[in-house]
Amino acid sequence: DTAVSQTPKYLVTQMGNDKSIKCEQNLGHDTMYWYKQDSKKFLKIMFSYNNKELIINETVPNRFSPKSPDKAHLNLHINSLELGDSAVYFCASSQIVGSGEKLFFGSGTQLSVL
Amino acid sequence: QKEVEQDPGPLSVPEGAIVSLNCTYSNSAFQYFMWYRQYSRKGPELLMYTYSSGNKEDGRFTAQVDKSSKYISLFIRDSQPSDSATYLCAMIKAAGNKLTFGGGTRVLVKP
Repeated sequence: DTAVSQTPKYLVTQMGNDKSIKCEQNLGHDTMYWYKQDSKKFLKIMFSYNNKELIINETVPNRFSPKSPDKAHLNLHINSLELGDSAVYFCASSQIVGSGEKLFFGSGTQLSVL
Repeated sequence: QKEVEQDPGPLSVPEGAIVSLNCTYSNSAFQYFMWYRQYSRKGPELLMYTYSSGNKEDGRFTAQVDKSSKYISLFIRDSQPSDSATYLCAMIKAAGNKLTFGGGTRVLVKP
């Protein structure tokens, strides 16, 4: 009954490959996110979707393509992986509280590009 | 200069001590302030959520916001070894905007 679940937990791959990370939330939230956490623990937003529509698209290479088949799922596909893509990727969903917002995170996918 | 600054630590304290963490920020438009706890190889977990200036207490945790100084704090009383983690501050202008994180402070509580 995990609230925000993402798979796989670990992903080790060669440079140039294409890979996907899947995310699902069972909290009934309308908005989902992808964040990237680098080796210095700095969390940076990549994308946000609200009810399957792209809301936020930060300056991310177009090798990264999110897909939201429904509001409970937000997958991340990465083409032509590069060494610099190695990081931990977190999926999150959010609950609106008044005019604010609380984010709930998955446990992360550690991507290592060799 | 980053929008949100946070000392990376590590901050090492003996068990039972008060842990004091803080963040400064530059954008006065931030209205909602959060503290997340992140254990090693886990996702960030929401600890405290506050709106505007003032104090909020939840068990051993107290969050303070001083908007005039653009400064937020988290205090952990009677710290336990299980409190050892990285603590990230985060803030947002309003729902639908970007949540901006500090870089996190690593805390070690020694038995």
